[in-house]
Amino acid sequence: GAVVSQHPSRVICKSGTSVKIECRSLDFQATTMFWYRQFPKQSLMLMATSNEGSKATYEQGVEKDKFLINHASLTLSTLTVTSAHPEDSSFYICSALQGAGSGYGYTFGSGTRLTVV
Amino acid sequence: GEDVEQSLFLSVREGDSSVINCTYTDSSSTYLYWYKQEPGAGLQLLTYIFSNMDMKQDQRLTVLLNKKDKHLSLRIADTQTGDSAIYFCAEREDYGGSQGNLIFGKGTKLSVKP
Repeated sequence: GAVVSQHPSRVICKSGTSVKIECRSLDFQATTMFWYRQFPKQSLMLMATSNEGSKATYEQGVEKDKFLINHASLTLSTLTVTSAHPEDSSFYICSALQGAGSGYGYTFGSGTRLTVV
Repeated sequence: GEDVEQSLFLSVREGDSSVINCTYTDSSSTYLYWYKQEPGAGLQLLTYIFSNMDMKQDQRLTVLLNKKDKHLSLRIADTQTGDSAIYFCAEREDYGGSQGNLIFGKGTKLSVKP
């Protein structure tokens, strides 16, 4: 089946540094990638939607200059948390959409636990 | 906007059936999903149902959809300790025929006692 590889699974960084999270679709082309943030014991909050080759669409309240999303190819999307602060500590999950029209076509990465100290 | 609601906790004994309920608000949702999340992991698609279906069964999983009441349920037969996880209900947000984002509930934590 479809697999999305998300790396790193865990990262600890110092406040003020930047962290890049990668999501790769291993055996399919991801036309659309969704990036979510999950707070403890809460649901997934959509941060942004990216389509290959175009700018990402950010949800209201998400700073696009802080959370940089790049979807340069059909198999790779990256989320860079710039100038990270402790409040950015969270669980980040990507989801790749495997073409249009397939109801089951959302495949999730395994998530990245970001801790900013 | 769209909203998905589900109860936060469910505790059952091993071997019993578990029923996790969900309500949603967007009557135009074409697909509804159940995902499983184990601690520290991503989401695993368990099953999905198309909006013109009332029921879908897949091995131990049964999904019931009441479109009139916008109510979705997931029944797990013969629940095992390995089923302990958080279960998310989600509806698909469609825009003019194009496939959009998933709207998730807060998740139901299923605890299975031996």
